[in-house]
Order: sequence, then C-alpha cells, then structure tokens
Amino acid sequence: EADIYQTPRYLVIGTGKKITLECSQTMGHDKMYWYQQDPGMELHLIHYSYGVNSTEKGDLSSESTVSRIRTEHFPLTLESARPSHTSQYLCASSELRQGIGELFFGSGTQLSVL
Amino acid sequence: QKEVEQDPGPLSVPEGAIVSLNCTYSNSAFQYFMWYRQYSRKGPELLMYTYSSGNKEDGRFTAQVDKSSKYISLFIRDSQPSDSATYLCAMSANNAGNMLTFGGGTRLMVKP
Repeated sequence: EADIYQTPRYLVIGTGKKITLECSQTMGHDKMYWYQQDPGMELHLIHYSYGVNSTEKGDLSSESTVSRIRTEHFPLTLESARPSHTSQYLCASSELRQGIGELFFGSGTQLSVL
Repeated sequence: QKEVEQDPGPLSVPEGAIVSLNCTYSNSAFQYFMWYRQYSRKGPELLMYTYSSGNKEDGRFTAQVDKSSKYISLFIRDSQPSDSATYLCAMSANNAGNMLTFGGGTRLMVKP
C-alpha cells in the first residue's frame, strides 16, 4: 500500500473561505502532483513539483496554489473557495520503476463548496 | 475531441466472465500505456503497463496495445467480485509519469 496521505477526506465549506488540502508522503519521492477528478471524468493535472522549491502548473487551469518546502509535504491552497471548486482532489507522488514512472495516489479529498 | 476516449460503463458481468475494457486515443506520440484501478473512495493504483505495441500478461490480466489503430485493451479472465472497480487507462509520450493523459474510466461491477 502506498504511503501517501491526504487530509481531510471530506470537506464541506462555505463560499469565500480559505482552505488548505494537506498531502504527505513517506516514500522520499521527489516528484509530486495534484489531480482534480470529477465523477466519470478524466483526472486532470493541476499542479506538480519536481522537488523542494519547485512548483509548476498543470494542464488544467486552477485558481489554487501549492508549495513545496519539504520533500514529503505538498499542500494545496484555495484563497477563496467557490462552488465551481467542488470536486475530488487527488495527490500523488511518482517513482521510476522498471522503466516507467509509477504514480502513487492518496485516497483523495472530496471538497464541497456551498 | 478528447485525446483519450473510454466508455464510462457501468459494465456489469457475472463472476467468472471474461471482461474487455478499451480505450482509443488520437495522439500518435503516445508510447507508454497504463491501466490504473480505482476502488470506491480510494485513489487509483497502477495495475499494468506496456510500452509501444504488443501484449503483456500478468495473472488474470492481459494488456494489449495496437498503435496502428490507436486502440488499447485490458482483458480480465475469470473475473471476481473483488475486480469491481473503476478502470482508468492512461498514456504518455515519455516514461517519466508526469505528463499522463487519462481516460474517464470504466466502472466495472462483477456480480457473484
């Protein structure tokens, strides 16, 4: 089982609130990612990091921001939540194994903005 | 048009059936093809991967890639209720794992 943890599992919050979704991994992986997943839809990459102090935006535009101050920690922040931010957010890290970068996912945070 | 198309299902089969899950894609640069399995309220986990065209077998699972047709398949033999999950295909042009394009997933239900 992958050692990557996300908190909270579920979050219901009002419009305009600031939220931070936590993600930690104990595998020592340099590469970490945030994906957004809506029911029946593709996973979309919103942020990624190749190591400490490295962050990049993914292919899906997002109003969220991320930071990578420590290798094991990759939190995602929304300064002012809106109903359009309602979605499942999945954190992942990756390691090159047998010639391929394998993604290890957390269990996700289901965010509902009212 | 989406780069990767996957029938969302749900696909319901009896225990012991052979299951075929498929994806089509449009980007001819894709070289690495993966299948991730996602159980309810969990994150996806890598099930199988193949490089370029061909078949790969792992126990009850077989992954096939036909690059000429831009079509990939995952076959599950002797399906079990524990196989009930959403299966996501994913593909990329490189092996770094950071630029994957995912299908929308097929939900599979195996009934005892």
